Amino acid sequence: AQSVTQLGSHVSVSEGALVLLRCNYSSSVPPYLFWYVQYPNQGLQLLLKYTSAATLVKGINGFEAEFKKSETSFHLTKPSAHMSDAAEYFCAVSGSGGYQKVTFGTGTKLQVIP
Amino acid sequence: GAGVSQSPSNKVTEKGKDVELRCDPISGHTALYWYRQSLGQGLEFLIYFQGNSAPDKSGLPSDRFSAERTGGSVSTLTIQRTQQEDSAVYLCASSLLGGSGHRLVYEQYFGPGTRLTVT
Repeated sequence: AQSVTQLGSHVSVSEGALVLLRCNYSSSVPPYLFWYVQYPNQGLQLLLKYTSAATLVKGINGFEAEFKKSETSFHLTKPSAHMSDAAEYFCAVSGSGGYQKVTFGTGTKLQVIP
Repeated sequence: GAGVSQSPSNKVTEKGKDVELRCDPISGHTALYWYRQSLGQGLEFLIYFQGNSAPDKSGLPSDRFSAERTGGSVSTLTIQRTQQEDSAVYLCASSLLGGSGHRLVYEQYFGPGTRLTVT
């Protein structure tokens, strides 16, 4: 079974500041990890994914995440926040190989302060 | 190309009525998922369809919930005798299993959701 924990349901950063959204996972098998973003009144959109290749994964809109097995973490970062980054971000995990149900975290709402 | 579409976008119904929610996945996607998103609850998995395999219904919260996928494409989620706690946004996603070797890599493409309000 897999699960993810997102620390902080709400995060506020100033425009231009570092964005750090935390995600820790639990998995009994090598995991696949995902970050999705949901803008207001829209569906979820994939930001990036880790599938056991490079541990530092780059996604869209300048976001990246690093898979750290020793810390069971997959934190999402962006060097400089933009107003358009205000959204809800979901971390997700699945097992690798064949169909494995994707389990989502409870989400973190990012507020960007001008 | 066209993304995942869902209809209706909003549905208000009275407690006790049945509702049907529709999902049109991306053409050619073999996998289809339904999720429920309640305020502050994250995404709750409901059901998963993959090709001709038996669906994974492990997330359906009660026997009032059911789903079908006809012809491996369009899916309908039905909620019978709706209750106020069923009020939520219902999201559909589709994916195409693919990848190299023995590692299957996939990502889900989400529709905009149906906001269900039970009064």
